[in-house]
Amino acid sequence: GAVVSQHPSRVICKSGTSVKIECRSLDFQATTMFWYRQFPKKSLMLMATSNEGSKATYEQGVEKDKFLINHASLTLSTLTVTSAHPEDSSFYICSARTGLAGPYDTQYFGPGTRLTVL
Amino acid sequence: ILNVEQSPQSLHVQEGDSTNFTCSFPSSNFYALHWYRWETAKSPEALFVMTLNGDEKKKGRISATLNTKEGYSYLYIKGSQPEDSATYLCASFSGGYQKVTFGTGTKLQVIP
Repeated sequence: GAVVSQHPSRVICKSGTSVKIECRSLDFQATTMFWYRQFPKKSLMLMATSNEGSKATYEQGVEKDKFLINHASLTLSTLTVTSAHPEDSSFYICSARTGLAGPYDTQYFGPGTRLTVL
Repeated sequence: ILNVEQSPQSLHVQEGDSTNFTCSFPSSNFYALHWYRWETAKSPEALFVMTLNGDEKKKGRISATLNTKEGYSYLYIKGSQPEDSATYLCASFSGGYQKVTFGTGTKLQVIP
């Protein structure tokens, strides 16, 4: 149980285009979903936290107009990288949790999306 | 410690050997420490959520301990098997209820 899917797994796009990444909890309802970014040889960096039906909370330094997050239902969150540029190329990964116990709850991760902007 | 640090960065062990690695994290305003196993091309798999000082958790051949006063956690693997080869990540919830910081991981390779 507790499977999270992410789509697409890999995407290559031209500079200036927008890319949407989907994160779905397949067998549970996710009260909270998280989006992370990983630079090469670096740790996962939290970008934003989203709760179903409300606006995402972005971490300091993350541009909310560049990285649009929508958490439309208890099983789906999307990250849209708007007007992507080569510096947005990275590995993006989502996670979800079911409970309301914050840091005490297990997070379940998707497999990640490799974005390459040409 | 401001960051979450994991050591060693990588290690190779022979099949059957036991091994352990360390996660150091900020001890102030601590809420929880999570351990994950991340195999290549797969999703990180949650291993443990640890919250209390002195916590010890076990899952099969893998166990972990927690010292919140000094800010470290150990992950132990007993009798390593090739399928244990993965990157082991820790994540600290410290300094804020929703503030999570990941370490860069320890990459383990078990040689048959």
